[in-house]
Amino acid sequence: DADVTQTPRNRITKTGKRIMLECSQTKGHDRMYWYRQDPGLGLRLIYYSFDVKDINKGEISDGYSVSRQAQAKFSLSLESAIPNQTALYFCATSSGQNPYEQYFGPGTRLTVT
Amino acid sequence: GQSLEQPSEVTAVEGAIVQINCTYQTSGFYGLSWYQQHDGGAPTFLSYNGLDGLEETGRFSSFLSRSDSYGYLLLQELQMKDSASYFCAVSRNTGKLIFGQGTTLQVKP
Repeated sequence: DADVTQTPRNRITKTGKRIMLECSQTKGHDRMYWYRQDPGLGLRLIYYSFDVKDINKGEISDGYSVSRQAQAKFSLSLESAIPNQTALYFCATSSGQNPYEQYFGPGTRLTVT
Repeated sequence: GQSLEQPSEVTAVEGAIVQINCTYQTSGFYGLSWYQQHDGGAPTFLSYNGLDGLEETGRFSSFLSRSDSYGYLLLQELQMKDSASYFCAVSRNTGKLIFGQGTTLQVKP
């Protein structure tokens, strides 16, 4: 079984809809991250959480919100989706001891029409 | 501000050696990581340099020079399966990673 899972894997939604992307991990890591990847660009950090009670904005948090429901679960929401948010979204985890070594989920391909 | 620069594309032949460079400019620098991403796949961790010098892991090596704000990933005995994108990422003292835009490596027979 995969250590980091993401649901859904693919999603097409319409402008203005609210959508939630979910991430679960079985690695026992405290830290979880949400990234966005666009063609030709690297991974950009949306939000990150170092433990259940700790949520922080990343580089591009506008238009997104997150919820850390448990140590193993970290959800990303798009409050009102816009076409500009069409991208590949990755969840990742790391330990506090080795934050530079992140483990990524398989990604969610989101299309906003 | 902060920035990372790496070449957008590199091409090499099977069996050869290729070096992917990364220069960075950031505050609170802690170390440099490298990730591999195959087309359609998730990034996977390759290596980390927290100190100056060379780290070797099998066919892959990574180097860091803090004084030059520079690092590289060296891939030896290239195989077709090494065709992928490679990202350098700066690890900051905040615990976050800042990723470069990636280098697409094409290995030809």
